[in-house]
Amino acid sequence: GENVEQHPSTLSVQEGDSAVIKCTYSDSASNYFPWYKQELGKRPQLIIDIRSNVGEKKDQRIAVTLNKTAKHFSLHITETQPEDSAVYFCAPPPMNRDDKIIFGKGTRLHILP
Amino acid sequence: DAGVIQSPRHEVTEMGQEVTLRCKPISGHNSLFWYRQTMMRGLELLIYFNNNVPIDDSGMPEDRFSAKMPNASFSTLKIQPSEPRDSAVYFCASSFGQGLYEQYFGPGTRLTVT
Repeated sequence: GENVEQHPSTLSVQEGDSAVIKCTYSDSASNYFPWYKQELGKRPQLIIDIRSNVGEKKDQRIAVTLNKTAKHFSLHITETQPEDSAVYFCAPPPMNRDDKIIFGKGTRLHILP
Repeated sequence: DAGVIQSPRHEVTEMGQEVTLRCKPISGHNSLFWYRQTMMRGLELLIYFNNNVPIDDSGMPEDRFSAKMPNASFSTLKIQPSEPRDSAVYFCASSFGQGLYEQYFGPGTRLTVT
């Protein structure tokens, strides 16, 4: 089955600096790679996703990069702002259609003033 | 669309009582997921349905937990009897397809078992 690892588990960055979170998975047939953001007391919500036919996707200050050979994809946040403080989850889909999705353990991002 | 709807939003019950959580997915979505979230264990998938059929319930902790989806617009997660260790936030999510599309989460039900 799928083995998902997310690093780091906690990350503190100065406001305005960049943050990078990495997600490593074990099965290689996945073709949809999403990142979710969960603010304190709220529900997880998709912030960006990428499909395996591209290596990078950007949406304003957020980007996701995919390395299928190395089996990892990363979330990049530039010019961090206080509202970026949250927990971020990756959720690579399983190799087989009916296998269950496993969310990463989450990365708690703190933006320091 | 109102998004995924869950009820109740908060539930406080005593150990041994039956608890029923409810979910209405987004219309047109054919996959529905139940998750449990705690600080210690993170976000765990309990069970998911595709076209109202349970596909994988390997995440259901034990026989005290059961889930049903009698039609495309309604699902329940039942705990009987409830125990203090069941205290958590339970999320329901729906999507167009398992694993290939965005999951839309409901607001969650915060369950406290005393």
